[in-house]
Amino acid sequence: NAGVTQTPKFRVLKTGQSMTLLCAQDMNHEYMYWYRQDPGMGLRLIHYSVGEGTTAKGEVPDGYNVSRLKKQNFLLGLESAAPSQTSVYFCASSYGPAGVTEAFFGQGTRLTVV
Amino acid sequence: AQSVTQLGSHVSVSEGALVLLRCNYSSSVPPYLFWYVQYPNQGLQLLLKYTTGATLVKGINGFEAEFKKSETSFHLTKPSAHMSDAAEYFCAVSDQANDMRFGAGTRLTVKP
Repeated sequence: NAGVTQTPKFRVLKTGQSMTLLCAQDMNHEYMYWYRQDPGMGLRLIHYSVGEGTTAKGEVPDGYNVSRLKKQNFLLGLESAAPSQTSVYFCASSYGPAGVTEAFFGQGTRLTVV
Repeated sequence: AQSVTQLGSHVSVSEGALVLLRCNYSSSVPPYLFWYVQYPNQGLQLLLKYTTGATLVKGINGFEAEFKKSETSFHLTKPSAHMSDAAEYFCAVSDQANDMRFGAGTRLTVKP
């Protein structure tokens, strides 16, 4: 029973490099989210998706892009990484909107940009 | 937009003692309120949530929280702490379906 799986778990990037974080869920959830977690700031919403082929901006979307080509996958891209994007990234999915129903989280991706 | 303030970034209690983690929120409409727990090197897991109805909400692992509208608070309690409760706890508020705002978190340490 995998739930929400994030790949990779750790990554170090050089400034200006690009990368894609993959989130996969096996619960047939419509809603998927990407958050970043920074010390003393809790989790902040980057982008989210309310179904296959849809995406929307969250609280801190700048510098990130997302795609939801398949219902079970939600990709987060960094086109040109910056040190300010050093963070722990969490993906979540839910049956209904996360602000109303339970969200299920992956184990996180720790990204360091040097 | 709604917001959450968690009082105390770090709380330390002895095993068997009362756990009290404080959360205050601001919202212009009746909120949905959540407590999530994050164990080391894991994602967040829902402890409990308040939507409407009974103001005392019971969650997993013996935790409960009380919604107090007049105080705009949603404090988390547990009568007797266990070593396994050591984790980081996040309060969250939502007044729009996809715009859930998290507090900064409170790290709970349980001393033997």
